[in-house]
Amino acid sequence: KAGVTQTPRYLIKTRGQQVTLSCSPISGHRSVSWYQQTPGQGLQFLFEYFSETQRNKGNFPGRFSGRQFSNSRSEMNVSTLELGDSALYLCASSLQGQDQETQYFGPGTRLLVL
Amino acid sequence: AQSVAQPEDQVNVAEGNPLTVKCTYSVSGNPYLFWYVQYPNRGLQFLLKYITGDNLVKGSYGFEAEFNKSQTSFHLKKPSALVSDSALYFCAVRDLRDSNYQLIWGAGTKLIIKP
Repeated sequence: KAGVTQTPRYLIKTRGQQVTLSCSPISGHRSVSWYQQTPGQGLQFLFEYFSETQRNKGNFPGRFSGRQFSNSRSEMNVSTLELGDSALYLCASSLQGQDQETQYFGPGTRLLVL
Repeated sequence: AQSVAQPEDQVNVAEGNPLTVKCTYSVSGNPYLFWYVQYPNRGLQFLLKYITGDNLVKGSYGFEAEFNKSQTSFHLKKPSALVSDSALYFCAVRDLRDSNYQLIWGAGTKLIIKP
């Protein structure tokens, strides 16, 4: 099976712009979780989608949003970008959810905000 | 509140020596525990997990972890380190009483294996 794919892999934006990141989970996986990874804050949970519904949400401002499509592909959107949004954004998929199941991570999208 | 701690930012080990990466947790109920590894410029890869059963869990690449309920720890171990084990290691926990199904992640420990 193909692994989790994320596009684009690298992105450069300027403050105030918005960005959309895409994640395609492993075939058959219904849960997609998004994380932000920075050197200072480590790995921080953004949200989890399961069957097109947001099941969990971390402590991020409303500028961060997401959605999941019927084929389980997920997108994450960040509006009004700030310098502090520069990070590696990771997507992970699992069959039913992150509660007890192994998550499979994509390679990430590295976002640089100038 | 749930939490997980990886008390060491970095661990240095000589190749061939045993290695331990520490993880302690705090949950109100029984925990699910995970270890993941991240190689440079890559996403995280699953190593092993403890759900129930034997306290000693064996995982990928020769790693194992021991669940210690009394010490609320889940340390990652390997009998003989390889240079290729150098990476960033993350511990994660989920409280079975948490209906939000959310994993709580440690800050990560950088493991450096010197030849």
